[in-house]
Amino acid sequence: AQSVSQHNHHVILSEAASLELGCNYSYGGTVNLFWYVQYPGQHLQLLLKYFSGDPLVKGIKGFEAEFIKSKFSFNLRKPSVQWSDTAEYFCAVMPYGNNRLAFGKGNQVVVIP
Amino acid sequence: NAGVTQTPKFQVLKTGQSMTLQCAQDMNHEYMSWYRQDPGMGLRLIHYSVGAGITDQGEVPNGYNVSRSTTEDFPLRLLSAAPSQTSVYFCASSPLSGNTEAFFGQGTRLTVV
Repeated sequence: AQSVSQHNHHVILSEAASLELGCNYSYGGTVNLFWYVQYPGQHLQLLLKYFSGDPLVKGIKGFEAEFIKSKFSFNLRKPSVQWSDTAEYFCAVMPYGNNRLAFGKGNQVVVIP
Repeated sequence: NAGVTQTPKFQVLKTGQSMTLQCAQDMNHEYMSWYRQDPGMGLRLIHYSVGAGITDQGEVPNGYNVSRSTTEDFPLRLLSAAPSQTSVYFCASSPLSGNTEAFFGQGTRLTVV
């Protein structure tokens, strides 16, 4: 089964700082990749997804992620965070044709005004 | 356009009680799954189904039963609730295809006392 690693579980930033969250997965085949966000007290929302093509993917709210196949990584970035980006962020991996979505343990991001 | 609907949103159970968490989707998706979310653990797969009449265990199936009598519904049963089952439960559905994404319900927050 695939596994997903997210580092630095707790991240504290000031507004306007840049954010980068790392995600590495272990699966040798083709994968679909996702980042989800969960705002306090709310359900999961899809931030962005990668299926194929351009490895730099742009999502909602100014987020982007880069797929580096050789590193089995799918890191999330935002150049300038806002207080409203305070949330928990989950990386998830789905093997192509399998549908079993595996999640990392999440990054709790707190943005200080 | 309901998507994935979970009921109830909140539930408190006493140890030993049984209950069923309901999940319904109106997108005719073949694949459905249940996850539990615990602090610092991410989302872990409990059970999944690739179609009516077919279910299988995920990562953390103990204490839970599922059935899939129709494409639309995928209930999760707790036969004898334990405090360790206090968690937030998410149901998801997706079509069975190569490039696909999961659609999540809004979650059920369950507390077992």
